Amino acid sequence: GAVVSQHPSRVICKSGTSVKIECRSLDFQATTMFWYRQFPKQSLMLMATSNEGSKATYEQGVEKDKFLINHASLTLSTLTVTSAHPEDSSFYICSADSVAGGTDTQYFGPGTRLTVL
Amino acid sequence: GENVEQHPSTLSVQEGDSAVIKCTYSDSASNYFPWYKQELGKRPQLIIDIRSNVGEKKDQRIAVTLNKTAKHFSLHITETQPEDSAVYFCAASQGNQGGKLIFGQGTELSVKP
Repeated sequence: GAVVSQHPSRVICKSGTSVKIECRSLDFQATTMFWYRQFPKQSLMLMATSNEGSKATYEQGVEKDKFLINHASLTLSTLTVTSAHPEDSSFYICSADSVAGGTDTQYFGPGTRLTVL
Repeated sequence: GENVEQHPSTLSVQEGDSAVIKCTYSDSASNYFPWYKQELGKRPQLIIDIRSNVGEKKDQRIAVTLNKTAKHFSLHITETQPEDSAVYFCAASQGNQGGKLIFGQGTELSVKP
């Protein structure tokens, strides 16, 4: 159990376009989802915390107007990178925290490799 | 906010030897400390975690120790195997449901046959 999926797994886009990444919890409900960005050979940097039905909480230095997050249901959160630029190229990973069970365990999605040309 | 420091950044051991990775954290309110293994291009996989009400936890070849007073925790892998080669991340959170994880910088472990 506790499977998180992401779509797409890989995307290449032109500079200036917007890209939407979906994160789904497949077999559990997630009140909270987290979005991370990981540059090559670096750690996971938390971008924002997404709660179902409310506005996301962004970490310091993350532009909320550039990285739009929507958490419309207990199984889906989306991250939209608006007006993408080459410096936004990165590995984007989501994680979900299970509602049931009262544990702290976060389950990670497989990640989305974004390349902006 | 929380800050997690992880050492070493790279670690090379011979197959069968032990490997130890250490992390320190800054926020005394943190009470949940997971360790993740990440292979290249893959998602982080939880390998073991510990909560602040215990000092040590073991799962076969993997163990984690926690020193709350000193605010540090360590991952111990015994009898290392080549398939243990990966990047390992420690993390800390305040552990309430929905608590965000703050990750260490990662340790690239290489186990040589």
